[in-house]
Amino acid sequence: DQQVKQNSPSLSVQEGRISILNCDYTNSMFDYFLWYKKYPAEGPTFLISISSIKDKNEDGRFTVFLNKSAKHLSLHIVPSQPGDSAVYFCAASAQGGSEKLVFGKGTKLTVNP
Amino acid sequence: DAGITQSPRHKVTETGTPVTLRCHQTENHRYMYWYRQDPGHGLRLIHYSYGVKDTDKGEVSDGYSVSRSKTEDFLLTLESATSSQTSVYFCAIGLGLTEAFFGQGTRLTVV
Repeated sequence: DQQVKQNSPSLSVQEGRISILNCDYTNSMFDYFLWYKKYPAEGPTFLISISSIKDKNEDGRFTVFLNKSAKHLSLHIVPSQPGDSAVYFCAASAQGGSEKLVFGKGTKLTVNP
Repeated sequence: DAGITQSPRHKVTETGTPVTLRCHQTENHRYMYWYRQDPGHGLRLIHYSYGVKDTDKGEVSDGYSVSRSKTEDFLLTLESATSSQTSVYFCAIGLGLTEAFFGQGTRLTVV
């Protein structure tokens, strides 16, 4: 039973445009959400996170939005750059539960020059 | 890098042989994790540790065991490797609940 879902395996956008990556979760106990970026042959690297007490967190070109009622979060990248081409993983954890990050399957983003 | 070293980085082994992967950290983080990454499955948690000698199972723990005798080292053992355990294995460290930092990965091939 997949608790964190990334329903789009891939996304292709033009350089300079907005990239929107989506993530849904089913476990209402999740209260901390993260995005990781992964390049081939490297480990995932932390990108941005958001706590359930917020609905938006911004860091430069990256913004994460959280809609708790819909159990949905999204990552916006504006403007997209070719160097952003990577696999993006959504992850979630639950305070007071086990200290485990549960990951989605990932979305491969390709930013075309 | 967050002070995580995985060894070996690549390994080819035969079905039925035992294999041990090592994760070493220099950050003194309490939590350590082993994940595997497979096409179509993303990152799946195998085992994790919340302190020396304190470990627990993840979602795909069958066929794997772990040990943590020191804060800095977390070992993943495949008792008898199978072809289904061919994968890329990632170790991660963290303070718990918030972001975890990943190693570079170990590519394991079981033939």
